[in-house]
Amino acid sequence: GAVVSQHPSRVICKSGTSVKIECRSLDFQATTMFWYRQFPKQSLMLMATSNEGSKATYEQGVEKDKFLINHASLTLSTLTVTSAHPEDSSFYICSARVLSRSGGQTDTQYFGPGTRLTVL
Amino acid sequence: LAKTTQPISMDSYEGQEVNITCSHNNIATNDYITWYQQFPSQGPRFIIQGYKTKVTNEVASLFIPADRKSSTLSLPRVSLSDTAVYYCLVGPPSGGSYIPTFGRGTSLIVHP
Repeated sequence: GAVVSQHPSRVICKSGTSVKIECRSLDFQATTMFWYRQFPKQSLMLMATSNEGSKATYEQGVEKDKFLINHASLTLSTLTVTSAHPEDSSFYICSARVLSRSGGQTDTQYFGPGTRLTVL
Repeated sequence: LAKTTQPISMDSYEGQEVNITCSHNNIATNDYITWYQQFPSQGPRFIIQGYKTKVTNEVASLFIPADRKSSTLSLPRVSLSDTAVYYCLVGPPSGGSYIPTFGRGTSLIVHP
């Protein structure tokens, strides 16, 4: 199956610093990637849709100037949390949308392993 | 976008069959149903996908009634390692505009 990697797997930073998270599709090209945030004991919350070569589409309530998304190639999307604060501490997960190759199925998401961000 | 509803939690024992039902009353004609499994501190993992009737793969079966307003994920003979959260999502035809929305999921606990 399709493999998606994320780096780093965990990061601890001081309040006010910026953190970049990379999401890579290792064996396929992904024109669309999604970024989620997940707090403890809660479901995944979609933050934004990242499309290769164009600006990301952010969900309501997500600050685009704080969560910068870049999808410069078909295999890499990055999420930068700018001026991080303790309330930004969360589990960030990316996924790549894999288009179906034939009839009988629809698009599938393949998820990265997630990045645990802790802001002190 | 179809909203999904699942039981918050389920308990089972090793070796039993587990059936998790998801309601999606507003599913669109072209939407598919996809189930994911998530372990703590990991990204979700694709389990199975279907459109109607029954789909089976090496790990699970998916039952979808004719009206498609619900679906049931069936896990045969669960083991302790099946303890996880299970999510159902409904989505558009290939290439269509898509805003994936995760519901609360079902937390399955398998006991020895």
